[in-house]
Amino acid sequence: DADVTQTPRNRITKTGKRIMLECSQTKGHDRMYWYRQDPGLGLRLIYYSFDVKDINKGEISDGYSVSRQAQAKFSLSLESAIPNQTALYFCATSGFSGETQYFGPGTRLLVL
Amino acid sequence: DQQVKQNSPSLSVQEGRISILNCDYTNSMFDYFLWYKKYPAEGPTFLISISSIKDKNEDGRFTVFLNKSAKHLSLHIVPSQPGDSAVYFCAAYPYGQNFVFGPGTRLSVLP
Repeated sequence: DADVTQTPRNRITKTGKRIMLECSQTKGHDRMYWYRQDPGLGLRLIYYSFDVKDINKGEISDGYSVSRQAQAKFSLSLESAIPNQTALYFCATSGFSGETQYFGPGTRLLVL
Repeated sequence: DQQVKQNSPSLSVQEGRISILNCDYTNSMFDYFLWYKKYPAEGPTFLISISSIKDKNEDGRFTVFLNKSAKHLSLHIVPSQPGDSAVYFCAAYPYGQNFVFGPGTRLSVLP
C-alpha cells in the first residue's frame, strides 16, 4: 500500500463550487504539506503543518484553506473554486528534520 | 523572481550516454539541495541530495555536484537508461525552512 494517498485522483468542478482534497499518510510523519504544480512553475507551497495544532500559510495560500484532522490526515479546501486553480495538487510528508519529503500521487483538478 | 532555476525545460540523450541536468539558485542561505524525479500520473520521488558542506554526492548511476561559489548544482546520470525518462525537479532550502522547487527539466532517453 502507498505511504501517502490522495483522494480524489481526478476532479472536475465548476466555478464557485466548494471542493475538498484529502491526504492520508501511514509514514508516521508529523509534517505535512500541500503543493500545486503548474507548467513551467514547478511545485509551489500552499499550506504546511508541523503537527496537529500547527498550520502555516505557504507561498500561495489565497483562496485555499486546510484542516489537520489527525497526525495522518491533512485536507485542502477550495471554498469557491475559480478556473486559475486548475492545476495538479500534491500532498507531501516529512519527518522532524524535514530533509526529505515524500509525495502522494497527486490530484488533477479542473475548474470550469 | 524564481530562487531556483532550471533553464532547460527539456533534454534528450541517447541511451548509454551521460545526462547532465543543471540547476541554479540565487539564495545564499540555501544549505541543502535535492533532486526529485517525477513520472506521469505519479508524485515526485526523492532521488539524491547534497549538503552545502559537500561538493559531490554519488549514489549508483546518479551523482550530484555542487558549486557554491557559482550557486550551481548539476545531476549527472551515467549511463542513461530509457527508464530515466521523467521530469526532474531541483529543490533547495535553508535548514529548518521550506523547500523551494525549480520548474523542472523533462529528460527523454532515446533507445
